[in-house]
Amino acid sequence: NAGVTQTPKFRILKIGQSMTLQCTQDMNHNYMYWYRQDPGMGLKLIYYSVGAGITDKGEVPNGYNVSRSTTEDFPLRLELAAPSQTSVYFCASSPFRGGEAYGYTFGSGTRLTVV
Amino acid sequence: AQSVAQPEDQVNVAEGNPLTVKCTYSVSGNPYLFWYVQYPNRGLQFLLKYITGDNLVKGSYGFEAEFNKSQTSFHLKKPSALVSDSALYFCAVRDPRSGGGADGLTFGKGTHLIIQP
Repeated sequence: NAGVTQTPKFRILKIGQSMTLQCTQDMNHNYMYWYRQDPGMGLKLIYYSVGAGITDKGEVPNGYNVSRSTTEDFPLRLELAAPSQTSVYFCASSPFRGGEAYGYTFGSGTRLTVV
Repeated sequence: AQSVAQPEDQVNVAEGNPLTVKCTYSVSGNPYLFWYVQYPNRGLQFLLKYITGDNLVKGSYGFEAEFNKSQTSFHLKKPSALVSDSALYFCAVRDPRSGGGADGLTFGKGTHLIIQP
């Protein structure tokens, strides 16, 4: 049981480039989330999904896009990378809304640097 | 809107001593509260939660937390600290009445816990 898998673990992008951060979970969780973690700022919610085909914006969605074509996968797309998007990105999943029963299961993160 | 505050950036405790990591919250209704721990270069791991019931909740690795509604606090505690407890700790909150808009937990900024041998 792998849990939540994120790839890549590290990436350096040039300004204006695009990339997709991959997230896959094998727990059949309906709820999935993308957070970014900036030093001293905690985690900010970028996008979330309550099931396949359903996504919605979080607190800081600008510059990002998501899709949820299957229960397992929840990729995060950066179209025009900017230095402000330098951060550590975490994907999380939960069987219940807000993670009440079991908390969230987090991936190990993607450290992205935009230069 | 829901929010959570962790007033201490860093807490230093000697090994074997009790530890407390502070958290206060703001929601319009009764909150769901959580503590997570993050070790270096790892994702967050769930420690414990308060949903309803007993104000003292017990979690993983000997940690516990006390929900205090009048003080809107949810402090993390452990009777005897271990060097291996050194990590970054996050408090999180969700208003169960929230609907529409941004779903998900709101996290505090995190508190570095350093246990000195």
